[in-house]
Amino acid sequence: QKEVEQNSGPLSVPEGAIASLNCTYSDRGSQSFFWYRQYSGKSPELIMSIYSNGDKEDGRFTAQLNKASQYVSLLIRDSQPSDSATYLCAENQPGNEKLTFGTGTRLTIIP
Amino acid sequence: EAGVAQSPRYKIIEKRQSVAFWCNPISGHATLYWYQQILGQGPKLLIQFQNNGVVDDSQLPKDRFSAERLKGVDSTLKIQPAKLEDSAVYLCASRAGQGYQTQYFGPGTRLLVL
Repeated sequence: QKEVEQNSGPLSVPEGAIASLNCTYSDRGSQSFFWYRQYSGKSPELIMSIYSNGDKEDGRFTAQLNKASQYVSLLIRDSQPSDSATYLCAENQPGNEKLTFGTGTRLTIIP
Repeated sequence: EAGVAQSPRYKIIEKRQSVAFWCNPISGHATLYWYQQILGQGPKLLIQFQNNGVVDDSQLPKDRFSAERLKGVDSTLKIQPAKLEDSAVYLCASRAGQGYQTQYFGPGTRLLVL
């Protein structure tokens, strides 16, 4: 059974600080990883995808992947109150076009 | 470009009743997914369609849930009879097809079974 583990939080971070969200996965065959943001009562929206070891940056967001440790993270720099949401980590495998989601981490940015 | 459309947005039914949800994916998207998201959990895949064929329905409770995607466009998910534990948000997502990784989600249907 493939699993994606996330700390459910809540994680509270002061405005302007760096928020760090972590995710581990059980299947070494997983190759694609996604971070979705979900506001309360809304549907998930894709923030970042990452396929290769290392860092991928997009604006204030940086995704990090370490396949040897089976670990994915999302860093949010200069956190804003609008970043308060649940962040979902998801993975899929080559040839298997379905996503397995973690339970999500609830992030609160404190003004 | 219009996003994934779903209806209804909210539904309240009593247990043992039946309910149906509708999804219209992004135009041209070959792959369509139905997810169930229980409060406090991540979305769980129920069924995946490629055009009008089922790719994966291994987690669909087939004794009560059914889904179809006629003509490879719109899709309907049905629950009959509903149980209390079916209370959840039902999310539809679509993806362009082979080689495209991103899934785009609709607004969801929030179901409450009393």
